[in-house]
Amino acid sequence: SQQGEEDPQALSIQEGENATMNCSYKTSINNLQWYRQNSGRGLVHLILIRSNEREKHSGRLRVTLDTSKKSSSLLITASRAADTASYFCATDSGGYQKVTFGTGTKLQVIP
Amino acid sequence: GAGVSQSPSNKVTEKGKDVELRCDPISGHTALYWYRQSLGQGLEFLIYFQGNSAPDKSGLPSDRFSAERTGGSVSTLTIQRTQQEDSAVYLCASSLAGRGMGLNIQYFGAGTRLSVL
Repeated sequence: SQQGEEDPQALSIQEGENATMNCSYKTSINNLQWYRQNSGRGLVHLILIRSNEREKHSGRLRVTLDTSKKSSSLLITASRAADTASYFCATDSGGYQKVTFGTGTKLQVIP
Repeated sequence: GAGVSQSPSNKVTEKGKDVELRCDPISGHTALYWYRQSLGQGLEFLIYFQGNSAPDKSGLPSDRFSAERTGGSVSTLTIQRTQQEDSAVYLCASSLAGRGMGLNIQYFGAGTRLSVL
């Protein structure tokens, strides 16, 4: 079963606009990660936020984490056509260090 | 190697045949994962290795699926008597996982696209 559920499932925006994706999860976590996937192939790690952090930035990416609501959001500012991809959140609950992936948000950035 | 390598990149097989998918993780990565992704869907966890042992096989969909890892490195996922519903992209990932470190960042291979006719 999926630990994380992303919302929305699909998002289409114009180039230059901001894109926001949300992730909700069910159990306590050590950290939460966001990954990107192009064309149904391998995923690429984007950013990790620890459970004791509330916000983190990396370039045009901004991630927030609210452990009381068990939710996270990924904001991509000034989007580009090259940002078109699927984005997955992944939760690490410790234990066997198994990371559990969400269902993904498919982002389309229109030039 | 520099990254996670999977082979073959594409595999077309006939229903009922056995297939073997290979994953060569990043050198030194102790954890290795197999996932399955059907077209347009999320990742379905199959199995996790820590070294050569598999603490979590909970995702293997049936006894037709098995996996092994030798020497703490290369892993092979075997699907016996393939069915059409096995058609998917099979992704492998490895990580430099340390118990309690909590920084389990996974590095993915490009996947094997399996088509069962």
